[in-house]
Amino acid sequence: AQSVTQLDSQVPVFEEAPVELRCNYSSSVSVYLFWYVQYPNQGLQLLLKYLSGSTLVKGINGFEAEFNKSQTSFHLRKPSVHISDTAEYFCAAEWGTGGSYIPTFGRGTSLIVHP
Amino acid sequence: KAGVTQTPRYLIKTRGQQVTLSCSPISGHRSVSWYQQTPGQGLQFLFEYFSETQRNKGNFPGRFSGRQFSNSRSEMNVSTLELGDSALYLCASSPRTGGQTEAFFGQGTRLTVV
Repeated sequence: AQSVTQLDSQVPVFEEAPVELRCNYSSSVSVYLFWYVQYPNQGLQLLLKYLSGSTLVKGINGFEAEFNKSQTSFHLRKPSVHISDTAEYFCAAEWGTGGSYIPTFGRGTSLIVHP
Repeated sequence: KAGVTQTPRYLIKTRGQQVTLSCSPISGHRSVSWYQQTPGQGLQFLFEYFSETQRNKGNFPGRFSGRQFSNSRSEMNVSTLELGDSALYLCASSPRTGGQTEAFFGQGTRLTVV
């Protein structure tokens, strides 16, 4: 079965520092990749997505991610975080199998930004 | 444009009972997907409905079922509730099906089974 692995369950960081949240997926064949953010007591909101084309994807709130086919990674980065970035972040992938796209989510990474 | 609306927001049920959760998608969206979120298993895909037809199904027992109405509103039903069904149930809508599509999530229904 296809899988998505978020390597860190929790990432503490100080405000204005850079951050990288790591995500690996099981196969680069016909894959679409997403990063979502979930604030407390809220649903998920899309940060960015990779469908094809440029491997560097820019999203909302200053986040970006790079699709690395050879390393099957899709790490999320932000050069300078704010307190308001404290949230749960989910990496997700969809593989097209026989026309069926079932999304698979990672377990999530809790980003904690300290003042 | 109104977002995805899930009702109720909170629910407490007893083991063995059944429950129905409701989801109203964004206007014009025809795809509705359901997810179960728990601390232990994370986010797991339950099923997707598109134009009143189930298009995809995750790996959940038959106690979990759903349907979609002609106005794209969707309901999810869980019968014979178990303690392990306690979770946040999220609904997401998309304008179309078939991958590559951003999903818009509701705030979820938190179900507690006692």
